[in-house]
Amino acid sequence: DGGITQSPKYLFRKEGQNVTLSCEQNLNHDAMYWYRQDPGQGLRLIYYSQIVNDFQKGDIAEGYSVSREKKESFPLTVTSAQKNPTAFYLCASTLSGGGVAKNIQYFGAGTRLSVL
Amino acid sequence: GQQVMQIPQYQHVQEGEDFTTYCNSSTTLSNIQWYKQRPGGHPVFLIQLVKSGEVKKQKRLTFQFGEAKKNSSLHITATQTTDVGTYFCAGLAGGGNKLTFGTGTQLKVEL
Repeated sequence: DGGITQSPKYLFRKEGQNVTLSCEQNLNHDAMYWYRQDPGQGLRLIYYSQIVNDFQKGDIAEGYSVSREKKESFPLTVTSAQKNPTAFYLCASTLSGGGVAKNIQYFGAGTRLSVL
Repeated sequence: GQQVMQIPQYQHVQEGEDFTTYCNSSTTLSNIQWYKQRPGGHPVFLIQLVKSGEVKKQKRLTFQFGEAKKNSSLHITATQTTDVGTYFCAGLAGGGNKLTFGTGTQLKVEL
């Protein structure tokens, strides 16, 4: 089955600890995104990458870092600098190429991060 | 920066009643998308509107894109319990590739 896989489903972070959330896709999509969702709120863009070895900050990048060494993978690290990391983290990807379909986002099942 | 607001934030309806959520952008959009997120789940794409004044239907769901391409609406006729979830609009401005998601409308349907 093609899709986006996020792991782990649940993650707990201790004070001062960095944690990494995994996102893998086998859809052959060029662009990948990380969003943060807080309870009862919309999705806020953290980072996005349109191509391997390149990524851009979104609206709330502070306290987060990413890498894009492979087309299929876009891991997100929540650093100790992120003082309020408890949230639901969603990874998404979009179809490459032209046409209106290129903007449609396909989401993974998400990772729920909590602070111990 | 671009902002996308949705109203209402919450809506409780009785099964069989209609439901509408409205989406308003601070800037003109090149297209608008709608997503549904079931409780505990992830957003799933419903539809994309591109043309000014466009109207699209999916069974009991009707989507509209405003003439000025700054607002949109989703109307559900005769809601069912399977419609429960949060509905998000998401707008794309200009030639960019960053979607700006609305704040969402959480729909609850009671029997």
